[in-house]
Amino acid sequence: DAGVIQSPRHEVTEMGQEVTLRCKPISGHDYLFWYRQTMMRGLELLIYFNNNVPIDDSGMPEDRFSAKMPNASFSTLKIQPSEPRDSAVYFCASSHRLAGLYEQYFGPGTRLTVT
Amino acid sequence: SQKIEQNSEALNIQEGKTATLTCNYTNYSPAYLQWYRQDPGRGPVFLLLIRENEKEKRKERLKVTFDTTLKQSLFHITASQPADSATYLCALGQTGANNLFFGTGTRLTVIP
Repeated sequence: DAGVIQSPRHEVTEMGQEVTLRCKPISGHDYLFWYRQTMMRGLELLIYFNNNVPIDDSGMPEDRFSAKMPNASFSTLKIQPSEPRDSAVYFCASSHRLAGLYEQYFGPGTRLTVT
Repeated sequence: SQKIEQNSEALNIQEGKTATLTCNYTNYSPAYLQWYRQDPGRGPVFLLLIRENEKEKRKERLKVTFDTTLKQSLFHITASQPADSATYLCALGQTGANNLFFGTGTRLTVIP
């Protein structure tokens, strides 16, 4: 398996622009997570899905952020409009609830810079 | 408020020694705790999971302890090697939930 795939790997955009981050989870995994990582706040959970349904979006910072999972093999995280404080590394992770083990598999991340 | 603290931002250790990393938490009742390794420019990679009813878990040179009374987990790397240099993250999970809460990480450097 190729693992969790994220695109793009790097994104540089100007304040006010729309940004879309993409994620393909590992085939067969029924949970998908979006995280944001910064030096100041560490790794923060933004939202997670189970079987394509959003379960907990309490970590989404504000209405400018939205996430979708139209099918089991694809998810997007959108920021509109983007702001400089959104600059961070965004990770997607997936997992499969098997025998009580909740190990998460992370993608390589998307480094977002908003100028 | 809930808090997960890892003992220090950075830890330097001589090759061959045992590295010990600490994860302390408050206002949580985790059912299990996980440790991840993160290399620069990469996503975290799962290492070990320990459940609340387990005191200790081992995997090769790695050992994890979990003390729910002290609200603390210790992560040991024995016979450390320069290749062990990375950031190590602890993460807490709760029964019935599949989401994790991560600590801020400790950057370990093993000096040859």
